[in-house]
This record gives sequence, C-alpha cells and structure tokens, in this order.
Amino acid sequence: DTGVSQDPRHKITKRGQNVTFRCDPISEHNRLYWYRQTLGQGPEFLTYFQNEAQLEKSRLLSDRFSAERPKGSFSTLEIQRTEQGDSAMYLCASSGPGLFANEQFFGPGTRLTVL
Amino acid sequence: AQSVTQPDIHITVSEGASLELRCNYSYGATPYLFWYVQSPGQGLQLLLKYFSGDTLVQGIKGFEAEFKRSQSSFNLRKPSVHWSDAAEYFCAVTRSQGNLIFGKGTKLSVKP
Repeated sequence: DTGVSQDPRHKITKRGQNVTFRCDPISEHNRLYWYRQTLGQGPEFLTYFQNEAQLEKSRLLSDRFSAERPKGSFSTLEIQRTEQGDSAMYLCASSGPGLFANEQFFGPGTRLTVL
Repeated sequence: AQSVTQPDIHITVSEGASLELRCNYSYGATPYLFWYVQSPGQGLQLLLKYFSGDTLVQGIKGFEAEFKRSQSSFNLRKPSVHWSDAAEYFCAVTRSQGNLIFGKGTKLSVKP
C-alpha cells in the first residue's frame, strides 16, 4: 500500500492555459474524491467517483472543470482556461469498501499557481 | 445547512502544556466526525474518527476527542503537547460514505 499519490506536486501556469492533474488512489479503493483548498481555508469538496461513475459534483465545479476516472483506477482533473482564482491546493482522497468506507486517505496535493 | 465551526484560528501553547481544540458542527443526521492534521505543504493525515459508540475516542500521536451530542461538539485534546505537534488541525463531518465538510482549521504553534 503506497498511499494516494498526486502528480504534479506543483504547477505554475499562465492565465488562460489548460492544466491537468492526476490522482492515483490506494489500490482497490473504489471511491475517489477531489477537494480544493485555498489559503487559510479548509478543503472544499469538488466531486467524487465510485468506481468509474461520477456520483456528485459541487457547485464549485464550474464548466471549466472536468474530472474523469475512466477505468475506476486513477483520476484526472482538468481545468480549462485557468483564472487567477483557480490558484489553490487540489487534494485527492480515496476510500475503500467495507469497514473503512468512511475513512478518506489524502494525497499530498497539487499546488496550482495561475499567473 | 451542514457546517463545521472551529472558533480558534490560531492557538499557541507551551511545549508540555495541555491542548484543547474546539469544533462545533451543524448536521441534520447522525454525523461521522473526524480530526485531520496538516503540516505545511502536506496533505491531510487522519488523527481520529467517531462513528458511534463510546463518545471518547483515541487517536494517533496521543490525541483524543470527545463527542458531545447535546453541545454539537467534537473537541480535540492532548495532555502534553510536543514541538512536533505544530501544524494545522481540521475538524470534518460527513454522512455515510459522503464527502467531507471541513472547518476552516486551527493553526497550532508550540513555544519551547
């Protein structure tokens, strides 16, 4: 069990560019969550998947954001036409079936800076 | 609306002193409650959780928390703080297998 991994750890981009982040959950975890954390705030929910199905999206997830989990394993989060307000830490978490279904394990995050 | 309030933005304690971080929640159903810790530039590590049963729960690193339904609180405690405990602490609530709702966090500084 190598934990949740995220790539890249840091991303600097210019306003208007597209960016894509990747999250690899703990193997056999069927649920995967994306959160966004801005400075001085707690993480805020964006979306989550059960296997490959995207079951819930927050109103924070504007049309410029899209997430996928095509084979029920890793997930990608894409932001199109980035804005300075998108600068934040993007956190991924996963949870497994059974007894630990309600425990979410977090990755180290991807810090996005939009210039 | 569901929400979590952590009234203290920043707390400073001396090493060896006791610690209590406050958390109040507003949730319509029976909540699942969590405390996470975040070191600078890092992800979140689960300290402890409450689902049901004994209202005093033990976690890692010597932390404990007590669920008080009548006060809608889930305060985190540690009897003796170590310098390595300096970090930001987040309280969170969820329904079964749902997304977490976090408070804004409490930053803990430890004086030598």
